[in-house]
Amino acid sequence: DGGITQSPKYLFRKEGQNVTLSCEQNLNHDAMYWYRQDPGQGLRLIYYSQIVNDFQKGDIAEGYSVSREKKESFPLTVTSAQKNPTAFYLCASSTGTPQYNEQFFGPGTRLTVL
Amino acid sequence: AQSVTQLDSHVSVSEGTPVLLRCNYSSSYSPSLFWYVQHPNKGLQLLLKYTSAATLVKGINGFEAEFKKSETSFHLTKPSAHMSDAAEYFCVVSDGPGRRALTFGSGTRLQVQP
Repeated sequence: DGGITQSPKYLFRKEGQNVTLSCEQNLNHDAMYWYRQDPGQGLRLIYYSQIVNDFQKGDIAEGYSVSREKKESFPLTVTSAQKNPTAFYLCASSTGTPQYNEQFFGPGTRLTVL
Repeated sequence: AQSVTQLDSHVSVSEGTPVLLRCNYSSSYSPSLFWYVQHPNKGLQLLLKYTSAATLVKGINGFEAEFKKSETSFHLTKPSAHMSDAAEYFCVVSDGPGRRALTFGSGTRLQVQP
């Protein structure tokens, strides 16, 4: 089955630790995205990548880092510089076709800082 | 610049009655518009999309939306609510060069009463 997988589903972190969230897709999509969702809010864009070895900051990139070494993978690292990292993180991908930008979402990772 | 306003944070309907979720947008370009649905602790699923073709768009699970340029609206409707429709709904706009970035509304939580 084609789709997007995120792991782990739940993640707990102590303050001061870096953690990496995994996102893998087998849809052969060029573009991939990371969003953060907080209760009662819409999604906010952290980083996106339109092609391998290239990525761009979104609206709230501070305290996060990404890499895009393979087309199917776009891991997100939440660093200790992120002051309020507890949130639900969603990864998405799209064909990148300019005409429209339908995105396909993974099931999400819920990160809790203890 | 683009923005999306979902006019109701919560909507409650009885099973079998119509659903109306309201969305207004602003865009500097000719936008693409989407409605996504999110069930608790899940990723987002595309319900329907408008990409400058027919202004009345039909989606999955009996939902539809009408693009009204003069009113800058893209309201989501369904003739008869089902218990399984209870979820969070997001109106999303995509515009601008390359149409890479999506802007999400803050969401409308739909409750369906038996």
